[in-house]
Amino acid sequence: SAVISQKPSRDICQRGTSLTIQCQVDSQVTMMFWYRQQPGQSLTLIATANQGSEATYESGFVIDKFPISRPNLTFSTLTVSNMSPEDSSIYLCSVSGLAGVTDTQYFGPGTRLTVL
Amino acid sequence: GEDVEQSLFLSVREGDSSVINCTYTDSSSTYLYWYKQEPGAGLQLLTYIFSNMDMKQDQRLTVLLNKKDKHLSLRIADTQTGDSAIYFCAETGTGFQKLVFGTGTRLLVSP
Repeated sequence: SAVISQKPSRDICQRGTSLTIQCQVDSQVTMMFWYRQQPGQSLTLIATANQGSEATYESGFVIDKFPISRPNLTFSTLTVSNMSPEDSSIYLCSVSGLAGVTDTQYFGPGTRLTVL
Repeated sequence: GEDVEQSLFLSVREGDSSVINCTYTDSSSTYLYWYKQEPGAGLQLLTYIFSNMDMKQDQRLTVLLNKKDKHLSLRIADTQTGDSAIYFCAETGTGFQKLVFGTGTRLLVSP
């Protein structure tokens, strides 16, 4: 598997502000994904981060609220815009397409976001 | 759409076996996964099974797949207190790369 890091690991933010979360992998991967885990809940896919093109968003998630970048095969960012307390969640990135294990997703440690 | 269900809670004593169950609805799933989440941590991949297999064993872990009933289980032998965590099953949903997660089962192992 790869080493996946996320920054920040946690943050407390004010309503109406934005936060950008970074995901870095130590090897090139084909696919990168962003998930949200609301308190006490399971994981929900926000979007697939596509290298060199716009992200593919799941139903219920829009680019204006969750802009995503993926400038290369090892790095992606997720921005949570104009935050409200309902955005308080853990945000996780995952990757797949590692050599020899093409479809399995491996997860970063997550970013715990609290919005006041 | 896809739906993956798990029981919410399981309590066992140290040394016993634990069996965590999962039901899913998408019969086209190619892979099914088990992930472990410890408090304050991300998800750790435990094991996965390809949809044309019935069983997979990996040290203390045994995965059973009943494709006809769309039922997946994870058996942990000789459960230890360090196994206390939330366990998620997941399937590859519509769109080959998309993972659909179950509701999660909180396993509590008491000494």
